[in-house]
Amino acid sequence: DIQMTQSPSSLSASVGDRVTITCRASQMISNYLNWYQQKSGKPPNLLIYAASSLQRGVPSRFSGSGSDTDFTLTISGLQPEDFATYYCQQSLDTPRTFGQGTRVEIK
Amino acid sequence: QVQLQESGPGLVKPSQTLSLTCTVSGGSISSGTYYWSWVRQPAGKGLEWIGRIYISGSTNYNPSLKSRVTISVDTSKNQFSLRLSSVTAADTAVYYCARDDRLRSYNWFDPWGQGTLVTVSS
Repeated sequence: DIQMTQSPSSLSASVGDRVTITCRASQMISNYLNWYQQKSGKPPNLLIYAASSLQRGVPSRFSGSGSDTDFTLTISGLQPEDFATYYCQQSLDTPRTFGQGTRVEIK
Repeated sequence: QVQLQESGPGLVKPSQTLSLTCTVSGGSISSGTYYWSWVRQPAGKGLEWIGRIYISGSTNYNPSLKSRVTISVDTSKNQFSLRLSSVTAADTAVYYCARDDRLRSYNWFDPWGQGTLVTVSS
C-alpha cells in the first residue's frame, strides 16, 4: 500500500493567515493526489484533484502543488469557514489511501 | 446533480454481518464510466477506503478487509451495497458511499453521501 503522511497533524492560525499543509507519499505517485476538507459531522468535500486542479465551486484561496512524493495544500488568507480537517489522498493505485488528517484550529 | 444516501441498520451485533445500501439520485448509476466506493471513518479518526465497484460488477477491495467485504450493484434500483462479515467493535464507524469520479486517468471521490453511523455492540 502507498502510505500518505501529512504534517503537521494540527495547527492554530488566525483569520487572514496563509496556511500550508504538507503531504508525503511513500512512493512516487506523479500528480495522482487529491485534497479534501472535512467539517465536523459532515462528509469530506473535494478541494483539489490531480495535485493542483481546483474543483468547481472551491474558492481560489485554496491551491495545491507538488509531484512525485511531496505535495502542498495552501490556503491564502484563511477564512472563518476554513477551520476544519484536511486530508490528502492518493489515486495512483488501489487500495486508495488517505493521510491521517491535519486539523486547522482558530488561534 | 447526483446525490448519494446511505441506509441500513445503525447497530450490528459482534460476529454478524453489516449491510448498507447507497441510493444514487439525480442521475443513473449506469451512466458514465464511474466506480462507486465505500469509505469509513471511526469516531475521531481518519478515512479508510473499503472498496469500489464498477457497473459491470468488477470490484476492488482493500486487502485489509478483502476477506470480509462484498460490494454489489443493482442498476435497476440505482443502488450499490456493502456487506462486511464477522464484524467486531473495530468496525464501528461512520460509513460513507462516494462516487469515484474521473477525468482521463485521474480519479477522486465526489460527491459523497452524508454518512451513516454503524455501531457494533451486543
